[in-house]
Amino acid sequence: DQQVKQNSPSLSVQEGRISILNCDYTNSMFDYFLWYKKYPAEGPTFLISISSIKDKNEDGRFTVFLNKSAKHLSLHIVPSQPGDSAVYFCAASSSNTGKLIFGQGTTLQVKP
Amino acid sequence: DAMVIQNPRYQVTQFGKPVTLSCSQTLNHNVMYWYQQKSSQAPKLLFHYYDKDFNNEADTPDNFQSRRPNTSFCFLDIRSPGLGDAAMYLCATSSIPRGDYNEQFFGPGTRLTVL
Repeated sequence: DQQVKQNSPSLSVQEGRISILNCDYTNSMFDYFLWYKKYPAEGPTFLISISSIKDKNEDGRFTVFLNKSAKHLSLHIVPSQPGDSAVYFCAASSSNTGKLIFGQGTTLQVKP
Repeated sequence: DAMVIQNPRYQVTQFGKPVTLSCSQTLNHNVMYWYQQKSSQAPKLLFHYYDKDFNNEADTPDNFQSRRPNTSFCFLDIRSPGLGDAAMYLCATSSIPRGDYNEQFFGPGTRLTVL
């Protein structure tokens, strides 16, 4: 069973517009959520995280929203830039395990 | 720069021939992880070391073994690779107290091909 799902394999947006990447999870024990970005031929790099005690965390152009009742989180990138083109992975963790469960990723393409 | 290094970046092996993948870190992190990622799938945790304590995932095949001789190095041994083991293998590290969480730092991965 897939506990973390990213249902959109790909997303294409115009430069300067908003990119919204979505992630759903099923395990109510998850209490920490992260987004990673991955460029080709590189490992994933940490982007932003959010604890389950919050519903929003912002870092520059990146904002993560958490809706616990819907078991849904989203990553907003505003404004999108061509350099943001990459694969974005959502990941979830529970404090009693410390392990990350990843979604399958969404490929974002930002067109100039 | 502190980092996670994986060698080799590309590994080709023959069906059934043992292979070892290497990971080293200069971050002095206490936790090291090995993930398997197949094309268009989520990275899947194989096992991790919390300091010297080895933690195997329940569904990790016995074919996969790991060694952590010291804080800096961790190895993934595949005893008899099958065609289904062809994948990207990612090493990650983290600095976390037990029962807590923190972001993981990933190496660039080793792409394994099995002929």
